[in-house]
Amino acid sequence: ETGVTQTPRHLVMGMTNKKSLKCEQHLGHNAMYWYKQSAKKPLELMFVYNFKEQTENNSVPSRFSPECPNSSHLFLHLHTLQPEDSALYLCASSQETGGHYGYTFGSGTRLTVV
Amino acid sequence: LAKTTQPISMDSYEGQEVNITCSHNNIATNDYITWYQQFPSQGPRFIIQGYKTKVTNEVASLFIPADRKSSTLSLPRVSLSDTAVYYCLVGAVMDSSYKLIFGSGTRLLVRP
Repeated sequence: ETGVTQTPRHLVMGMTNKKSLKCEQHLGHNAMYWYKQSAKKPLELMFVYNFKEQTENNSVPSRFSPECPNSSHLFLHLHTLQPEDSALYLCASSQETGGHYGYTFGSGTRLTVV
Repeated sequence: LAKTTQPISMDSYEGQEVNITCSHNNIATNDYITWYQQFPSQGPRFIIQGYKTKVTNEVASLFIPADRKSSTLSLPRVSLSDTAVYYCLVGAVMDSSYKLIFGSGTRLLVRP
């Protein structure tokens, strides 16, 4: 167990569905992140939250909507996705933002959009 | 646009030492260099972090030259279970904003 838990591990959804990914960390970290990992591409940073406030949106389409109700929980709400959105979605946390603090990643949610 | 650069893939044999180099020309003065390991369908896992010179822990060593524009992850005596993708992570100033950048990753295959 890495300390960062993501649910569900696998998700198949239609393009008209609405679903949510959940991330929870019990490490006492203050920063949380969503990354997207597509096949044969580098990890892409999507969103950054620091002390529950969104500090970065890396030009992510509005069909992805993050929510951070507290420093321990992070959600990614999905609606009207496209097949090209199929990927591994990874959540991570760190003590604070910035390169000095190592990231702890969850195991990811494998999303398939049909 | 500055980015980190790593070899796409490397092959090795059990028991050998493996060195993976990452270049990061736009590293900021206060940035640290961190390496991660990723197995299929899992999140990356922290391996080692350093700022300059050499850092060693129980699984790897990290060599950083004085100019800090590159770093080398050294894995001593690899085993089959070290087959994974290895990522170099640094902060970098791009377009006047601070970004944390993952390298493209190096796919290491360890053969028997």
